[in-house]
Amino acid sequence: DAGVIQSPRHEVTEMGQEVTLRCKPISGHNSLFWYRQTMMRGLELLIYFNNNVPIDDSGMPEDRFSAKMPNASFSTLKIQPSEPRDSAVYFCASSLAAGTIYNEQFFGPGTRLTVL
Amino acid sequence: AQSVAQPEDQVNVAEGNPLTVKCTYSVSGNPYLFWYVQYPNRGLQFLLKYITGDNLVKGSYGFEAEFNKSQTSFHLKKPSALVSDSALYFCVWRGSTLGRLYFGRGTQLTVWP
Repeated sequence: DAGVIQSPRHEVTEMGQEVTLRCKPISGHNSLFWYRQTMMRGLELLIYFNNNVPIDDSGMPEDRFSAKMPNASFSTLKIQPSEPRDSAVYFCASSLAAGTIYNEQFFGPGTRLTVL
Repeated sequence: AQSVAQPEDQVNVAEGNPLTVKCTYSVSGNPYLFWYVQYPNRGLQFLLKYITGDNLVKGSYGFEAEFNKSQTSFHLKKPSALVSDSALYFCVWRGSTLGRLYFGRGTQLTVWP
């Protein structure tokens, strides 16, 4: 299995531009999570999906952030417009059977976003 | 509020010595606890978990963790540290809402040769 795949691995953009991060979960996993990691705030959950449906988006910072999961094998996290304070590493993770207690999450390698 | 806490931002240990990375929890009901590790420029990797049963949990790479209900702790341990164990370690609590995980702040472990 290839694991969780994220693209791009690095993104440098200018303030005001739209940024789209992509994630392909492990095949068969039915839960997908988007996290953001910064030195100041540590690891924060932004949103998670169960069976392609958003369950909790309370961690999404503001309306500039949006996430979609059109099918079981693909999700996007979009920032529009981007701001320098959005600079962080964004991780996608997936797990199987999130409703049970045996739900280790498998993380992708992350996308390092820099907004100038 | 329910949470996990890692009281040490950094732990330094010499190679070959035992290591301990501390975690305490404040959770009602049965705590489901995990340890994850993050190597430099990598995503997080699952190490081990406590669900129920034996208080000593064995995980990957020779790590183990001891669940102590009276002290509300779940410390990560390894008898003999390796330089390659140097990484950021997260204590994690699983909440009741569909598998959401709550991460501690992380402890940076440095093993000196």
